Amino acid sequence: NAGVTQTPKFRVLKTGQSMTLLCAQDMNHEYMYWYRQDPGMGLRLIHYSVGEGTTAKGEVPDGYNVSRLKKQNFLLGLESAAPSQTSVYFCASSTGLAPYEQYFGPGTRLTVT
Amino acid sequence: SQQGEEDPQALSIQEGENATMNCSYKTSINNLQWYRQNSGRGLVHLILIRSNEREKHSGRLRVTLDTSKKSSSLLITASRAADTASYFCATGYTGTASKLTFGTGTRLQVTL
Repeated sequence: NAGVTQTPKFRVLKTGQSMTLLCAQDMNHEYMYWYRQDPGMGLRLIHYSVGEGTTAKGEVPDGYNVSRLKKQNFLLGLESAAPSQTSVYFCASSTGLAPYEQYFGPGTRLTVT
Repeated sequence: SQQGEEDPQALSIQEGENATMNCSYKTSINNLQWYRQNSGRGLVHLILIRSNEREKHSGRLRVTLDTSKKSSSLLITASRAADTASYFCATGYTGTASKLTFGTGTRLQVTL
C-alpha cells in the first residue's frame, strides 16, 4: 500500500505558467482534499471532493482548479501561476465516514518566480 | 481562517520530560484531532477525541477536551528525540464534519 502519493515533489514555475499537481490514493477513499501550507499559517483547504466527479471550494480556492475524474486521483491545476502561490501543497484523503480522519501525502514544494 | 490556535508556538524540552501543548477553537465541534508533521513530510494522524468525550489515551499520548472552554490539550509523556516535530490540532465542526480546520501548530524540540 503506497497510501497517498503526490507528483511532482518539487517544481519551480515562472509567473504566468501553468501546471497540474497529481494526487493518487490506493485506499479506495471517497473523500480527497488539497491544502496549502505557508509558514506560520498552518494548513488551509483549497478544494475538496466527496466522491468521483464531485468537487467543492475550500477556504482559499482562488487561482486553482481541481478535477476528480477517477476515484483514486485528485488533480490540482494552476492556470496562471503567481508568486503568491509559492507554497507547499498537501493532498489528503479520508474514507468519507465519520470522524473523517485524514491521510496525507508527502507534499509538493512549489516556487513561483 | 484557522479556527484552532495552538499554544505554545514552540516548545523545547529534554528527553524524558513531558510535553504539553494546547489548542483552542471558536465554535461547536464534532471532533478534534491531533496530527504530527516531521520536517519536510506530510501530516500523520495521532489521536482523535469526539465532542462527547473528555479524555483519550494512546500509548504515550493523552488528549483532553473541555468543550465548555473550547480547548484541548495534548500531553506526550516521557518524550524522546524522535518526538521532535510540529503538532497540529484539527477540528471537525458540526454540520461540516467532512472538512477539518487546522491550527497553526506547535513546534516541539526534544533534546538529548
